[in-house]
Amino acid sequence: DAGITQSPRHKVTETGTPVTLRCHQTENHRYMYWYRQDPGHGLRLIHYSYGVKDTDKGEVSDGYSVSRSKTEDFLLTLESATSSQTSVYFCAISEGTGVTGELFFGEGSRLTVL
Amino acid sequence: GQNIDQPTEMTATEGAIVQINCTYQTSGFNGLFWYQQHAGEAPTFLSYNVLDGLEEKGRFSSFLSRSKGYSYLLLKELQMKDSASYLCAVRDRWAGSARQLTFGSGTQLTVLP
Repeated sequence: DAGITQSPRHKVTETGTPVTLRCHQTENHRYMYWYRQDPGHGLRLIHYSYGVKDTDKGEVSDGYSVSRSKTEDFLLTLESATSSQTSVYFCAISEGTGVTGELFFGEGSRLTVL
Repeated sequence: GQNIDQPTEMTATEGAIVQINCTYQTSGFNGLFWYQQHAGEAPTFLSYNVLDGLEEKGRFSSFLSRSKGYSYLLLKELQMKDSASYLCAVRDRWAGSARQLTFGSGTQLTVLP
């Protein structure tokens, strides 16, 4: 199994507070991703990174920012959490090369915004 | 952009065969993936198709027709542990430099005894 850990795994917060989710990998993979998963919507890409300090927006990036200062860490920040950001957040990594380039997912972080 | 459709729910009996379909529209196809996700867990990679035809992996097979924008996942000799959500995902040739995937909403499969 790919070495990906997310923290925290569960968090309850209030509207308007900042929240940071952390993704840590031990695989030295170049590519890292943040997805959110909601009923009826499947997995939707928030932001991704293709190297240290190299990030770009995904399909649902409004209200989120990311940072990657080291290969192994990819942080997702909600500057001012809203109830619509209640979701399960998955980090994924990919080697990006080779034939397949499949994604490996972390265990998820369940965020509830009250 | 991309549009991926798959049935929301399916039910099958233990020991039977089930086929989960996925149709997609994309401006530049560059691979189709199937993932399995048990409730409360992370998605795990099942299969990858980039050329037309059938890829077999034990009890699981995946088929692709690029001209029809169609794929299916075939599960044989169903077991109770196969009850899970099955996610179809497509990689677009024109995706960002990170070759990210776009996912369908998933098919929840329930295997009954």
